[in-house]
Amino acid sequence: AQSVTQLDSHVSVSEGTPVLLRCNYSSSYSPSLFWYVQHPNKGLQLLLKYTSAATLVKGINGFEAEFKKSETSFHLTKPSAHMSDAAEYFCVVSGRYSSASKIIFGSGTRLSIRP
Amino acid sequence: DSGVTQTPKHLITATGQRVTLRCSPRSGDLSVYWYQQSLDQGLQFLIQYYNGEERAKGNILERFSAQQFPDLHSELNLSSLELGDSALYFCASSVRGDRENYEQYFGPGTRLTVT
Repeated sequence: AQSVTQLDSHVSVSEGTPVLLRCNYSSSYSPSLFWYVQHPNKGLQLLLKYTSAATLVKGINGFEAEFKKSETSFHLTKPSAHMSDAAEYFCVVSGRYSSASKIIFGSGTRLSIRP
Repeated sequence: DSGVTQTPKHLITATGQRVTLRCSPRSGDLSVYWYQQSLDQGLQFLIQYYNGEERAKGNILERFSAQQFPDLHSELNLSSLELGDSALYFCASSVRGDRENYEQYFGPGTRLTVT
């Protein structure tokens, strides 16, 4: 069975400070993990993905995430927040070779940026 | 712009009616996925088509059906609409998705309002 937990429903940071969005997962399979971002009234955009290559994954817009198997975590970070980062972020887990019906989206973390 | 297009952007209809949502995947992508996003349920996977064939099924109601045509565009049909069907409906596509889960590219969504 697979599951994903986004530990914070809302995170607020000041512009220019680091961002940390937390995601824990469980998976019976070798997992693929993704982070997506959704700006208001827009579709989801892929930020980055992990599929069993390097454990530190770099994505777009300065975001990166580290796969930690021992902690079953895949936290998303960014060194310096920008106002345009304000959005909803989704952590997604799937078995790399499992059915699409096993793709699980987290409940989302809303990121607010204070000027 | 993800390259995935969805029409219409907005749809307002009455209970009991039937609507069709349309999706064109990115050029070259063979898989199409449909999702429903609502405030109370989050993002729910409905169904996947790969190269014209149904590949995976999620929490799709019997009143809903989908198909993928030879040109790879897809339609989601929603019938006997209820107030609770009001939601954002997203289509996503991926390059394959028959044996391995690849990253998905999302369209801008169709906002359905049932009155």
